[in-house]
Amino acid sequence: DAGITQSPRHKVTETGTPVTLRCHQTENHRYMYWYRQDPGHGLRLIHYSYGVKDTDKGEVSDGYSVSRSKTEDFLLTLESATSSQTSVYFCAISGTSGRFSYNEQFFGPGTRLTVL
Amino acid sequence: SQKIEQNSEALNIQEGKTATLTCNYTNYSPAYLQWYRQDPGRGPVFLLLIRENEKEKRKERLKVTFDTTLKQSLFHITASQPADSATYLCALPSNFGNEKLTFGTGTRLTIIP
Repeated sequence: DAGITQSPRHKVTETGTPVTLRCHQTENHRYMYWYRQDPGHGLRLIHYSYGVKDTDKGEVSDGYSVSRSKTEDFLLTLESATSSQTSVYFCAISGTSGRFSYNEQFFGPGTRLTVL
Repeated sequence: SQKIEQNSEALNIQEGKTATLTCNYTNYSPAYLQWYRQDPGRGPVFLLLIRENEKEKRKERLKVTFDTTLKQSLFHITASQPADSATYLCALPSNFGNEKLTFGTGTRLTIIP
């Protein structure tokens, strides 16, 4: 497996509380991604980063924010968790992108988040 | 953005037979298409990539085809084994910059001994 870890692996929290998920890589890859995976919807991109302090929104970014202060860490924050954010969250990394590259992504083990 | 449809949610195949999974997409033709495998409770794992100018790609018992006219990719597993049971996802670049991927919802394949 690529050197990518996620923490925590499981979390149960209450509606309205802030939650931060961490993704850590040891591959020195430029691109990092946060996805959520829900039955019937598959993997959906929340936010991604193309460098330190460089981030952009994905298709389901509302209610989420991200930060990347170091190459190896990408944090996903739910400012005020809601039950609709109960999901499995995956971080992914990629070393290449752009018109002539193919963006093979390596995924972390996932974080199962339950918001009560 | 791309819309992706994978042929069915679940597919049961007898061991030893060939499993064929379908990925259809709309909108613009992508520069490439990828296939991933996901086991329960784990993250997806990259399997194969096929470029727009390639008709077919093989890796051991896996074969992928890419028909840009039909806007379709077929993923074949020959001589299937129970260990091939998993969910298989196709993915395409979401945009012309290729830094984002759109994933299909996946097909859950079960190989029956």
